[in-house]
Amino acid sequence: GAGVSQSPSNKVTEKGKDVELRCDPISGHTALYWYRQRLGQGLEFLIYFQGNSAPDKSGLPSDRFSAERTGESVSTLTIQRTQQEDSAVYLCASSPQPLYRTGNTEAFFGQGTRLTVV
Amino acid sequence: SQELEQSPQSLIVQEGKNLTINCTSSKTLYGLYWYKQKYGEGLIFLMMLQKGGEEKSHEKITAKLDEKKQQSSLHITASQPSHAGIYLCGADLMDSNYQLIWGAGTKLIIKP
Repeated sequence: GAGVSQSPSNKVTEKGKDVELRCDPISGHTALYWYRQRLGQGLEFLIYFQGNSAPDKSGLPSDRFSAERTGESVSTLTIQRTQQEDSAVYLCASSPQPLYRTGNTEAFFGQGTRLTVV
Repeated sequence: SQELEQSPQSLIVQEGKNLTINCTSSKTLYGLYWYKQKYGEGLIFLMMLQKGGEEKSHEKITAKLDEKKQQSSLHITASQPSHAGIYLCGADLMDSNYQLIWGAGTKLIIKP
């Protein structure tokens, strides 16, 4: 597809279960970002990939959160032992080069995965 | 994030009226991005400002960067229902690494 694709679009899971969220970036985009957006709040940075490497994992809220990227393409965000506070929309974005310090590079966002932990 | 404050939090405007949304940083800005978010559509890039005093326009939306005030304002002229949504600013701060810092968003409702 032409844009960033995220799946699933909606996920309801029971507390304590593990979930996997997938992001298919735009082909050729080296930078990939994961964000979390809680209801009524702004974007919370989770992790950034440059190629398959994650130079910045500082935003991951706990060790229950992990992410990987393979083939400089698909990325998976995994949340283990989900908690109710994990309920949010998880947004993925990709850009041709890193956003910071490059200027005039926009990030293309997916439509997000709405995660509800019950 | 307290590093980036957006105001107002929400705004209800009569169709056809002008409005302004502000984004203020507590730190020196390298660049500032404006995005619009509509439910089910993800975030849509509006514009990016990098130089102090820079002003850009996208249809009826104009954004300006005041480097001294470390602030950007987004102005919509003759608002239309299509302008409704949440407007988010993201800042590339001089001391940030790899990431943009985001404001909490301004929810804009247009009354017919």
